[in-house]
Amino acid sequence: DIVMTQTPLSSPVTLGQPASISCRSSQSLVHSDGNTYLSWLQQRPGQPPRLLIYKISNRLSGVPDRFSGSGAGTDFTLKISRVEAEDVGVYYCMQAIQFPITFGQGTRLEIK
Amino acid sequence: QVQLVESGGGVVQPGRSLRLSCAASGFTFRDYAMHWVRQAPGKGLEWVAVIWSDGTKAYYADSVKGRFTVSRDNFQNTLYLQLNSLRAEDTALYYCARHWARANDYWGQGTLVTVSS
Repeated sequence: DIVMTQTPLSSPVTLGQPASISCRSSQSLVHSDGNTYLSWLQQRPGQPPRLLIYKISNRLSGVPDRFSGSGAGTDFTLKISRVEAEDVGVYYCMQAIQFPITFGQGTRLEIK
Repeated sequence: QVQLVESGGGVVQPGRSLRLSCAASGFTFRDYAMHWVRQAPGKGLEWVAVIWSDGTKAYYADSVKGRFTVSRDNFQNTLYLQLNSLRAEDTALYYCARHWARANDYWGQGTLVTVSS
């Protein structure tokens, strides 16, 4: 199984400041079709997960442009350019290059 | 708009069975693979199973293989998860999610399964 490791596990951030979450996979997420199937999800308190970004850097429609994804191969990053109060929650990376699909442990974003 | 509504959760004794449902609306259900993902209380996300759009293939997490069965009814626009031989560690909120671009673009609100004697 592909192991997804996120850092940090907790991230206190000041409103208006940037935040960054890293995700590393135990093997390359580059598929034979040329795509890299790494996505990022947000889970606000008491809510189901919500897809933010797919295939490393593609924002889902309606996701604010302060969210951006980058990376390649086995190392990926989610960045929030200016954290807002509504961004509080847990963020997960997810790989879907092979089954079983696996998630990172989650990174809790909180406001300082 | 896309809606996924899970049901069928509850409190069940170890070793017993339960069937979860996920009613889909707002999109052409038969065109999409569907997933089940669970989340134990206070824990992270764990993928459970996927079923192909036509129902011909399914894959499972090792932790549920041989005990859980995913199925679908493309006429009733409903996804199912049959949970057998339930264990305490199966206690979780179970979400159904739509497969899109090898991600899960829509999620239901979840249905809670509690396995306890």
